Amino acid sequence: QLQLQESGPGLVKPSETLSLTCTVSGGSISISSYHWGWIRQPPGKGLEWIGSIYYSGSTYYNPSLQSRATISVDTSKNHFSLRMTSVTAADTAVYYCARISMILMTIGWFDPWGQGTLVTVSS
Amino acid sequence: EIVMTQSPATLSVSPGERATLSCRASQSVSSNLAWYQQKPGQAPRLLIYGASTRATGIPARFSGSGSGTEFTLTISSLQSEDFAVYYCQQYNNWPPLLTFGGGTKVEIK
Repeated sequence: QLQLQESGPGLVKPSETLSLTCTVSGGSISISSYHWGWIRQPPGKGLEWIGSIYYSGSTYYNPSLQSRATISVDTSKNHFSLRMTSVTAADTAVYYCARISMILMTIGWFDPWGQGTLVTVSS
Repeated sequence: EIVMTQSPATLSVSPGERATLSCRASQSVSSNLAWYQQKPGQAPRLLIYGASTRATGIPARFSGSGSGTEFTLTISSLQSEDFAVYYCQQYNNWPPLLTFGGGTKVEIK
């Protein structure tokens, strides 16, 4: 059974860089037909897609975050990562990673999801 | 950006009753729509993709319908474990820009 697990610091200072890793177990990240993505959810609010990556390294980003977000993949470790620069309190959220099914060469729905990790931006 | 609008924001339903949730897209997304269920403190869980295809392991009481700009998630007979927040998500853009609705909370009446 495929499982995803987020890891990284729970507290980041304003203006610094947020770094998270999603480790995939129970299956290979180097598989066609899937992208691997990041989604976030501020406390008490809705869901926002951040971006996604294919095992080859090709990426898609939400234009609203593209200037600050970078997603990378390490197939040897079966994980992918998110870096987000210049964070502010508005970046405080639960960050989820998820597998994304591809459809007709684009990306579709998220399944499964990691359990999520809360990242708080505060000094 | 395609804006997804869900209604109502909160739906009060008695156990055993039918729940009907709506999701509207600001422009056509064809059938490129998914539904998720999220319980407090948990990650979202995929229920439906392709507007009407149930994901693996999802009970038959969950059904999705619609295409274009109007979509519906129906829970035919609410069970206690179904009280949660439900989100729709479209995946019809190129280049991809995946967007979610604001959610509908289904609560016990």
